[in-house]
Amino acid sequence: EDQVTQSPEALRLQEGESSSLNCSYTVSGLRGLFWYRQDPGKGPEFLFTLYSAGEEKEKERLKATLTKKESFLHITAPKPEDSATYLCAVQSNDMRFGAGTRLTVKP
Amino acid sequence: GAGVSQTPSNKVTEKGKYVELRCDPISGHTALYWYRQSLGQGPEFLIYFQGTGAADDSGLPNDRFFAVRPEGSVSTLKIQRTERGDSAVYLCASSQLAGVGNEQFFGPGTRLTVL
Repeated sequence: EDQVTQSPEALRLQEGESSSLNCSYTVSGLRGLFWYRQDPGKGPEFLFTLYSAGEEKEKERLKATLTKKESFLHITAPKPEDSATYLCAVQSNDMRFGAGTRLTVKP
Repeated sequence: GAGVSQTPSNKVTEKGKYVELRCDPISGHTALYWYRQSLGQGPEFLIYFQGTGAADDSGLPNDRFFAVRPEGSVSTLKIQRTERGDSAVYLCASSQLAGVGNEQFFGPGTRLTVL
């Protein structure tokens, strides 16, 4: 059965303190790996799609990377407005989400 | 519209009642998805439509749940004989096409509370 595990469950950073979020997956036939950001009371907001191992994508302070077993979301010099829950999802026959990492960035 | 909209934003009902949740996808998006999200968890897939037809309904938990999309645009998720365990946020998403790599755009969700 397809599985997606995100770690850590929660992460507290000081403003400017870079870190990485992990998404480990087992899936038969990966068709795409997605990162979303979700703010409280809102739907997930699309960030990135990765298709194959070795692929990287960047957007502002965020960079997503992919291997055959996991993906990382690197956050460089985060700001308080980066505080949110970050969700990873894998697509094979359907879309399966992890439970998310709740990121808090303190000023 | 500019984004996916869902109504109502909140719904409180009593155990055993029937509810309908509505989703208006982004104009022109042919694929529409329903998810359920419990507190502290990621969205859980329920069903997706390609046009008017349900292409995959494998995530519907039981036959109390049903969804329609009669004209290939607006969709309604219907829950019969609601149970307390149905309480969750129901999210709708749409994408331009179904299939590989098509990013899904989510609505704000409907928070369902079954008393």
